[in-house]
Amino acid sequence: GQQVMQIPQYQHVQEGEDFTTYCNSSTTLSNIQWYKQRPGGHPVFLIQLVKSGEVKKQKRLTFQFGEAKKNSSLHITATQTTDVGTYFCAGTDRGSTLGRLYFGRGTQLTVWP
Amino acid sequence: SAVISQKPSRDICQRGTSLTIQCQVDSQVTMMFWYRQQPGQSLTLIATANQGSEATYESGFVIDKFPISRPNLTFSTLTVSNMSPEDSSIYLCSVAFGQGRDNEQFFGPGTRLTVL
Repeated sequence: GQQVMQIPQYQHVQEGEDFTTYCNSSTTLSNIQWYKQRPGGHPVFLIQLVKSGEVKKQKRLTFQFGEAKKNSSLHITATQTTDVGTYFCAGTDRGSTLGRLYFGRGTQLTVWP
Repeated sequence: SAVISQKPSRDICQRGTSLTIQCQVDSQVTMMFWYRQQPGQSLTLIATANQGSEATYESGFVIDKFPISRPNLTFSTLTVSNMSPEDSSIYLCSVAFGQGRDNEQFFGPGTRLTVL
């Protein structure tokens, strides 16, 4: 069945350092979405990538969708303490018509001041 | 976007009892989902709540254990039946406005359930 794998599971960085999390799917995806969950909070939608090779930026965050639409990455430049949280990727299978999302296990980011 | 509320926000229950969690949205939505999230873990989809018909359950989840209602486009309930300590988790509802594959989901604040 559909699997979305995400690495690393944990990442600890010094404030100002960069951070990257990677997401890989066992099948071709229709789209990939990224969510952020702050400690004690609920997942909040960040962005959606749909096109093969797509790159989108949100301030210090850069999101990429692979050419084969099977992998994605989120890169944060010069992390800040406000970036702390767990980042989840979630893909929609190309064969799915009900918007079912397959979530990765998440990358928990800790930023030391 | 959507404003989503869940009741209760947390509860402590005894083994063998049942708890019904409510999810209310401030606008009509097409899709409503129920997830479970263990502390520090990813989100596991329990089922898709369908308006006016039976929910669509994921592998490993059954209607007898997790009955779901969705009487209209803004409200849904999830019941956790005959609870055991293994059911202790955070239960989240989420909504999406479209019916297709390209729609982000908006999550409620979650219900933290502890079963003793």
